[in-house]
Amino acid sequence: DSGVTQTPKHLITATGQRVTLRCSPRSGDLSVYWYQQSLDQGLQFLIQYYNGEERAKGNILERFSAQQFPDLHSELNLSSLELGDSALYFCASSGGGAAYGYTFGSGTRLTVV
Amino acid sequence: GENVEQHPSTLSVQEGDSAVIKCTYSDSASNYFPWYKQELGKRPQLIIDIRSNVGEKKDQRIAVTLNKTAKHFSLHITETQPEDSAVYFCAAPRGPTGSYIPTFGRGTSLIVHP
Repeated sequence: DSGVTQTPKHLITATGQRVTLRCSPRSGDLSVYWYQQSLDQGLQFLIQYYNGEERAKGNILERFSAQQFPDLHSELNLSSLELGDSALYFCASSGGGAAYGYTFGSGTRLTVV
Repeated sequence: GENVEQHPSTLSVQEGDSAVIKCTYSDSASNYFPWYKQELGKRPQLIIDIRSNVGEKKDQRIAVTLNKTAKHFSLHITETQPEDSAVYFCAAPRGPTGSYIPTFGRGTSLIVHP
């Protein structure tokens, strides 16, 4: 157990639907990062939150949004889902920013049918 | 932003051989260089990292070297074992805190044949 908790582990949904992925960071970590990993693709950075505030954005689609709550857990919302959104979505947390290494959660495997 | 290139994309070795994976980065302000190992179906895990104030760091069979002048850093695995088979990712975030986009290499699939 890495200390970063992601739920659900698996999600199957239809095109056009909306889903919410949840992440609880490691205790004490203020930063949460979301990554998308498609088949044969590397880790694509989506968005970072630090202590409740959006800190950096990567290649995140407008159909996707995220937030970090006062208890530091984060949610990634994916709407108007397309087949191409099928991927592994990882959350990672860090205590001192990315220059101190990430701890990744186990990921949510999203399948859009 | 940062641009990270990782080579090779696939590396096949015999058990006991050494393996070397190299990454180059573009942003001279980058000061922290981690390596992650991702086994099939699992999460990436930090295996070793190096900061810009040192040139080499070792941890048992793995080592990382950094050449700031040439802007590249490498992962070295000696005496490879089948359990080393995984995808390895390098990363080059910029700065200790603040707004930036951490960038990962595209990964190297290491296959160790028994």
